[in-house]
Amino acid sequence: DAGVIQSPRHEVTEMGQEVTLRCKPISGHNSLFWYRQTMMRGLELLIYFNNNVPIDDSGMPEDRFSAKMPNASFSTLKIQPSEPRDSAVYFCASHGELADGTQYFGPGTRLLVL
Amino acid sequence: AQSVSQHNHHVILSEAASLELGCNYSYGGTVNLFWYVQYPGQHLQLLLKYFSGDPLVKGIKGFEAEFIKSKFSFNLRKPSVQWSDTAEYFCAVSKNYGGATNKLIFGTGTLLAVQP
Repeated sequence: DAGVIQSPRHEVTEMGQEVTLRCKPISGHNSLFWYRQTMMRGLELLIYFNNNVPIDDSGMPEDRFSAKMPNASFSTLKIQPSEPRDSAVYFCASHGELADGTQYFGPGTRLLVL
Repeated sequence: AQSVSQHNHHVILSEAASLELGCNYSYGGTVNLFWYVQYPGQHLQLLLKYFSGDPLVKGIKGFEAEFIKSKFSFNLRKPSVQWSDTAEYFCAVSKNYGGATNKLIFGTGTLLAVQP
């Protein structure tokens, strides 16, 4: 099992540019979560999907952030336009049908907006 | 609203010392409880979880946690820490809906530094 795959692993961009983060969940998992981790705010849930449908996006900071899950094996998190305060590590996680809700995390994308 | 409190933000121990990290949650219903560990520069990995049954749960690398329902607590313990246990530890809770997807509520994390 390859685990949750995220790309890119590192991204450096300039303020105002569009950033797209990608995630491939574990095969067979039906729920996908996007988190952001910073020193100041810790680990924050941004949005999660169940069976490709967004269930709770209350953690998305503002309209500059959007997330899609066009199919069961792929999701994107887009920031447009990016700002320096978006610099963080973005994690994707997935979980399957087990009732206990265990989430499996990807390696993260470390984003730096200059 | 559900919340998870981790009382210690930073803990510094010497090798072979015993460890106990506190975790309390606010939800009163049936819950699932987790401890995740994040080693420096890495992603979160599951350390152990409580779903049902024996409230004393054993995880990887000699860690264990005890679910005390009356105290809404799920403290993490290890009798003798090693330098390699240096990491950040996150407690998390999700509601048990018997199979439905649900989000995890994470605590703010405890940074553990083990001195050789």
